[in-house]
Amino acid sequence: KAGVTQTPRYLIKTRGQQVTLSCSPISGHRSVSWYQQTPGQGLQFLFEYFSETQRNKGNFPGRFSGRQFSNSRSEMNVSTLELGDSALYLCASSQSGTGGYEQYFGPGTRLTVT
Amino acid sequence: QQQVKQSPQSLIVQKGGISIINCAYENTAFDYFPWYQQFPGKGPALLIAIRPDVSEKKEGRFTISFNKSAKQFSLHIMDSQPGDSATYFCAASIRVRTNSGYSTLTFGKGTMLLVSP
Repeated sequence: KAGVTQTPRYLIKTRGQQVTLSCSPISGHRSVSWYQQTPGQGLQFLFEYFSETQRNKGNFPGRFSGRQFSNSRSEMNVSTLELGDSALYLCASSQSGTGGYEQYFGPGTRLTVT
Repeated sequence: QQQVKQSPQSLIVQKGGISIINCAYENTAFDYFPWYQQFPGKGPALLIAIRPDVSEKKEGRFTISFNKSAKQFSLHIMDSQPGDSATYFCAASIRVRTNSGYSTLTFGKGTMLLVSP
């Protein structure tokens, strides 16, 4: 099976702009979670989607949002970018429920805000 | 509030030696404890995981030891190899155990392991 894929891999944006990142989960996985990774804060949970519904949300401002499509693919959006949003954004997919709780990560999107 | 504390931040081990990374958690509701390995430019890869009803789990050269009363767990890498040089993250989660259940991972800060040849 193909792993989790994320596009684009690298992105450079300017403060105040918005950005959309995409994630395609492993085939058959219905849950998609997003994490932000920075050197200072480490890996922090953003939100989790299942069947096009956000089930859980981390402690991030409303500028961070996401959605999931009927094919389980997910996007996350960051509006009004700030310098502190520079990070590696990771997507992880899981079968969910009786299928298992293990989360498998994609390679991430490296976002640089200038 | 850091719910999962990981130590050390960095570790240098000679080839063939044992690498030991420790984690401590606060929330007794955590019921799933995975370890992830991350190489530069890659996403974290699931290495091994344990549930709190088991005190030890071994997969190849990797072993998790779990101490429920102390709220601590550790990763041991036996016969460490230069290819094991990576950043290791412990994590903890609460599994919502329904038909469509899920878990949300709370990560430690990571340990950079360097295995010298």
